[in-house]
Amino acid sequence: EAGVTQFPSHSVIEKGQTVTLRCDPISGHDNLYWYRRVMGKEIKFLLHFVKESKQDESGMPNNRFLAERTGGTYSTLKVQPAELEDSGVYFCASSQETSGRETQYFGPGTRLLVL
Amino acid sequence: AQKVTQAQTEISVVEKEDVTLDCVYETRDTTYYLFWYKQPPSGELVFLIRRNSFDEQNEISGRYSWNFQKSTSSFNFTITASQVVDSAVYFCALSEAGSARQLTFGSGTQLTVLP
Repeated sequence: EAGVTQFPSHSVIEKGQTVTLRCDPISGHDNLYWYRRVMGKEIKFLLHFVKESKQDESGMPNNRFLAERTGGTYSTLKVQPAELEDSGVYFCASSQETSGRETQYFGPGTRLLVL
Repeated sequence: AQKVTQAQTEISVVEKEDVTLDCVYETRDTTYYLFWYKQPPSGELVFLIRRNSFDEQNEISGRYSWNFQKSTSSFNFTITASQVVDSAVYFCALSEAGSARQLTFGSGTQLTVLP
């Protein structure tokens, strides 16, 4: 069974540009999460999808970040316009359970560098 | 609010030594879940274990063991007879049983096992 995949693995862009990150969860997983780790800090939650619906987006830093999950399959996270402080590693995770007793499985992350 | 503290930023041991990674957590919920993830140099987050708050039994898996103590709000991780391949960043994480199911991570412990 394929794990969580993320694309691209690395992205280098200039301040003010737009970047779109993609996450493909494990097949059959309704829950999809986005997290990020900025340099030297903790991994922080961004948002949670249940199928195509946003369950919790309390961690989204500002309106420059837009996440979508069309059809409840893959998800995209767009940063527009990117700022220097957006640099970091963006992780996606998915899980199957619908209760709190779930295990989230992570993808390899996308390393974003904004110059 | 929930919080996870990993006070050890970096640990260095020589191969075959035992090493314990500390994790202290804070939560107001009576039902919660604790996790350990491993991040090897390749960057992905690998799930190691999930422990439910109502199950305080310690767990052993090969060279890995986990000591969960509610009285001290700790969930420590011990690697016995460490190997060079154990070198990685290890993250402890917490989630609560309610609707907000995101993981709260500690800052991670960088473990280096020297040959």
